[in-house]
Amino acid sequence: EPEVTQTPSHQVTQMGQEVILRCVPISNHLYFYWYRQILGQKVEFLVSFYNNEISEKSEIFDDQFSVERPDGSNFTLKIRSTKLEDSAMYFCASKDRSYGYTFGSGTRLTVV
Amino acid sequence: DQQVKQNSPSLSVQEGRISILNCDYTNSMFDYFLWYKKYPAEGPTFLISISSIKDKNEDGRFTVFLNKSAKHLSLHIVPSQPGDSAVYFCAAKKTSYDKVIFGPGTSLSVIP
Repeated sequence: EPEVTQTPSHQVTQMGQEVILRCVPISNHLYFYWYRQILGQKVEFLVSFYNNEISEKSEIFDDQFSVERPDGSNFTLKIRSTKLEDSAMYFCASKDRSYGYTFGSGTRLTVV
Repeated sequence: DQQVKQNSPSLSVQEGRISILNCDYTNSMFDYFLWYKKYPAEGPTFLISISSIKDKNEDGRFTVFLNKSAKHLSLHIVPSQPGDSAVYFCAAKKTSYDKVIFGPGTSLSVIP
């Protein structure tokens, strides 16, 4: 069964450093998303991406965040200058024209 | 702003009995509702969905009921199995292309 692949599975970074979280969505999917889950809290929407541009973003997705689909297969989330409160599980998801998302297994980001 | 609510953070059920997970929502624009299951260190996995034109959808041991007038839905798992132990997220969206909004989750423990 096709799956969404995320790398790395765990990233530890110093506060203030830039991180790039990588995702390979399912190949024929058109819509791409990033969500995050801070430990013990709910899964929160960050951003949606379609047709090579951001279609919607939440208030969490401020100027420190950016997304890119550089080569037609990868979908990346960049955090320019990480803060302690960015520590969370980050989930990438993709979907085709149907309703259902497929999520990746996540990247655990730890900012120290 | 909690648009999707799951008021029970946890639920314990004996193996073989029925598990009922409840969800309430506030946004009458939601048109499609989904249940996701999540194991630790994994991404959410789609379980079952229902559109607002239906009041019931069944898939094997899983049935989702929707009461639009009460803005309430529930997931029934029968019979419950130990492998069903996970966090269950209720989620909703307005259109096929819209972002999914998650509830806070209910942790289900099925006791052998």
